[in-house]
Amino acid sequence: DTGVSQDPRHKITKRGQNVTFRCDPISEHNRLYWYRQTLGQGPEFLTYFQNEAQLEKSRLLSDRFSAERPKGSFSTLEIQRTEQGDSAMYLCASSSSTASLFINEQFFGPGTRLTVL
Amino acid sequence: SQQGEEDPQALSIQEGENATMNCSYKTSINNLQWYRQNSGRGLVHLILIRSNEREKHSGRLRVTLDTSKKSSSLLITASRAADTASYFCATFSSGTYKYIFGTGTRLKVLA
Repeated sequence: DTGVSQDPRHKITKRGQNVTFRCDPISEHNRLYWYRQTLGQGPEFLTYFQNEAQLEKSRLLSDRFSAERPKGSFSTLEIQRTEQGDSAMYLCASSSSTASLFINEQFFGPGTRLTVL
Repeated sequence: SQQGEEDPQALSIQEGENATMNCSYKTSINNLQWYRQNSGRGLVHLILIRSNEREKHSGRLRVTLDTSKKSSSLLITASRAADTASYFCATFSSGTYKYIFGTGTRLKVLA
């Protein structure tokens, strides 16, 4: 079990550029979450996938943000026209499909730290 | 906006002492989870308590839940330097798929 992996671990970009992050969940996990975390705060929910279906998106996810999980395995999060306010840690988490939705331990990846200059 | 609010924001104790941190939330929940985050291991799930449970234990951890007050507490007994981390509560409610994390308590255990 390799756990949840994220790539890259760090990304520095200039304002206005597009960036894409990848998350590989634990292999048997059908549920996948994206969060954003800024310094001194808890993770903020961005979006949730069950298999390849995106079932919920936060209002925080503006039209510059898009996430996909095309085959129900890995997921990507793209930010277009980055702004300095997008600088944060982007976390991915997955959970088991065999568990009830209400009893749902999430396994987190190490995160991708984005810095927008 | 985040639903959970942890109290205190920061806590510093001596090794061997107990640490108590509290979480308050705003709406009805199905379950509440506590997570630990440190720089070495990222976010790690500690314990889950369902809305129909009042207390749960796991090793040196004790969690209580008071749904009438919309609050939970996490007690870490006999703390160790390795317990130094930020602790977050996360709530899950019906009608949504998302977990709402609190602002966290930063715990420092002094050797």
